[in-house]
Amino acid sequence: ELKVEQNPLFLSMQEGKNYTIYCNYSTTSDRLYWYRQDPGKSLESLFVLLSNGAVKQEGRLMASLDTKARLSTLHITAAVHDLSATYFCAVDVLRGKLIFGQGTELSVKP
Amino acid sequence: GAGVSQSPRYKVAKRGQDVALRCDPISGHVSLFWYQQALGQGPEFLTYFQNEAQLDKSGLPSDRFFAERPEGSVSTLKIQRTQQEDSAVYLCASSLEEASYGYTFGSGTRLTVV
Repeated sequence: ELKVEQNPLFLSMQEGKNYTIYCNYSTTSDRLYWYRQDPGKSLESLFVLLSNGAVKQEGRLMASLDTKARLSTLHITAAVHDLSATYFCAVDVLRGKLIFGQGTELSVKP
Repeated sequence: GAGVSQSPRYKVAKRGQDVALRCDPISGHVSLFWYQQALGQGPEFLTYFQNEAQLDKSGLPSDRFFAERPEGSVSTLKIQRTQQEDSAVYLCASSLEEASYGYTFGSGTRLTVV
């Protein structure tokens, strides 16, 4: 069975702190996506990781992909309140058929 | 258009009623996908179109669910004889044929079956 597992599922952080969200997946894939979802809103694309060793950074977020370990990480540096949202990783198993993780609900508090 | 447009934004249906959900993808996007997102969960794949061809419908939960994209642009997801377990947000996404830039999701239709 194809599985994409994120941890933690809930994360409460203080502003200014660093943390990492982990995404493990059980199938072979060299294409992984990270999305952000605000309450009641749709999914906003953050990163597309297309190969082993890929690393991408945007502002306070950095994502990486290790296809051999079937692991992707989303690292948050010096968190700010605006980053509060739910973050999903998704594995592309066949031309756009995405398998999503359960999501990590991030709350950044002053 | 600039983004993926879905309508209606909200739909309340009585159990047993048929509903139709519409998706307007980004102009020029060849691929179109439907996902179902239950409350507090990640989206789950329903079906995939490339132009007008439905290439994968493995995620449709039952034969009450039907999707079409007759002219390769607008798509409709139809649910017949709705049941309470159909209550969810239905998301549409589109992409260029080569999705190395990712998939653009619409705002979704929140379906509530009462």
